[in-house]
Amino acid sequence: EAQVTQNPRYLITVTGKKLTVTCSQNMNHEYMSWYRQDPGLGLRQIYYSMNVEVTDKGDVPEGYKVSRKEKRNFPLILESPSPNQTSLYFCASSPLGQGAGGELFFGEGSRLTVL
Amino acid sequence: GENVEQHPSTLSVQEGDSAVIKCTYSDSASNYFPWYKQELGKGPQLIIDIRSNVGEKKDQRIAVTLNKTAKHFSLHITETQPEDSAVYFCAASWFPHTKLIFGAGTRLAVHP
Repeated sequence: EAQVTQNPRYLITVTGKKLTVTCSQNMNHEYMSWYRQDPGLGLRQIYYSMNVEVTDKGDVPEGYKVSRKEKRNFPLILESPSPNQTSLYFCASSPLGQGAGGELFFGEGSRLTVL
Repeated sequence: GENVEQHPSTLSVQEGDSAVIKCTYSDSASNYFPWYKQELGKGPQLIIDIRSNVGEKKDQRIAVTLNKTAKHFSLHITETQPEDSAVYFCAASWFPHTKLIFGAGTRLAVHP
């Protein structure tokens, strides 16, 4: 089944404790991206990647890191989480190239709480 | 900076009625306007999109209209059903896979 898989789905942590949210897609998509969803703000892009070893900042990159060492994986790293990073996080992927359209395929989300 | 305003934030309709959600964007260079539906506990899913060279697009009970002069675009759902209940997001970007700005979302409730 074609899908984007995020782990963990739920996490409660404490300020300053490094954590990684993993994202993996099995559709051979070049483009991958991370969003955070907060009430009243919609989805805001954190980082995106057009291909392996190519990443760039979105609208709200502060406090986050990413890496794209393999095409299928795009982990989101919070080196020193703070309470304002409490949010619902979504990973998405999309094919590039002519005729690919623009559809983003989203994972089911990771709800993170930082105490 | 770029902005997409979406209204209303909540919408309640009776089954069989029509629902309309409106968005306004600020960046006149925007050319790609997708709509996503998010069901409870799930990730958003694309339901329809439109490019700036088209004024209207339909897919069964769903239609999107675009007014580039006014920088408005709207989602129309006809003959609503309870399974249409979800949060709907509009978005705008210059081109697919360039920076996509989302609206704040509309929570649609369809009552049987």
